[in-house]
Amino acid sequence: GQQLNQSPQSMFIQEGEDVSMNCTSSSIFNTWLWYKQDPGEGPVLLIALYKAGELTSNGRLTAQFGITRKDSFLNISASIPSDVGIYFCAGPLNNDMRFGAGTRLTVKP
Amino acid sequence: DTGVSQDPRHKITKRGQNVTFRCDPISEHNRLYWYRQTLGQGPEFLTYFQNEAQLEKSRLLSDRFSAERPKGSFSTLEIQRTEQGDSAMYLCASSSEGWMGGETQYFGPGTRLLVL
Repeated sequence: GQQLNQSPQSMFIQEGEDVSMNCTSSSIFNTWLWYKQDPGEGPVLLIALYKAGELTSNGRLTAQFGITRKDSFLNISASIPSDVGIYFCAGPLNNDMRFGAGTRLTVKP
Repeated sequence: DTGVSQDPRHKITKRGQNVTFRCDPISEHNRLYWYRQTLGQGPEFLTYFQNEAQLEKSRLLSDRFSAERPKGSFSTLEIQRTEQGDSAMYLCASSSEGWMGGETQYFGPGTRLLVL
């Protein structure tokens, strides 16, 4: 089953605000992945992290691989309406890809 | 469109019937993955193929589920004697490298199954 805990479960923010979400686990991960899923579609990879402490950006998105290798963070700056969706963290564990339950983001114009 | 495609996009069936889904990966990708996603949850890994070989199977993949990739290209996922608990979105993904790092899995749009 899923061993990645994402928080918050949902967020309602105003357009232009910054967003922070995180993912924690009791297991150590060597790779952290962040995906976004729109309704009725498959997840799309946003950022991949491969080293503890790594900080990687993709446009307005920034993600960090926690030093303990048991957590990761995703930040979105200056949110826009198209940021709406569900954000999942994921990582390979024991020849299995694990996903968190997701953070649902709503952006109010 | 050269992305991952899945067919059908939606399937409604009666309990006890068999269903089969198809996934066409990105053509140069040698790895193909199947996931199941229920409402409010992230995708759960079911199985994956490298070329035509099925290398991993989750314990979630009961005996009623079977997946094939006969020529190392498209894959099918069959569910026999469907149960209401099988209702979910079935996602396929493909990649060109191993998933222990350094690879990107590209997901298809999914097949949404409803078992009545």
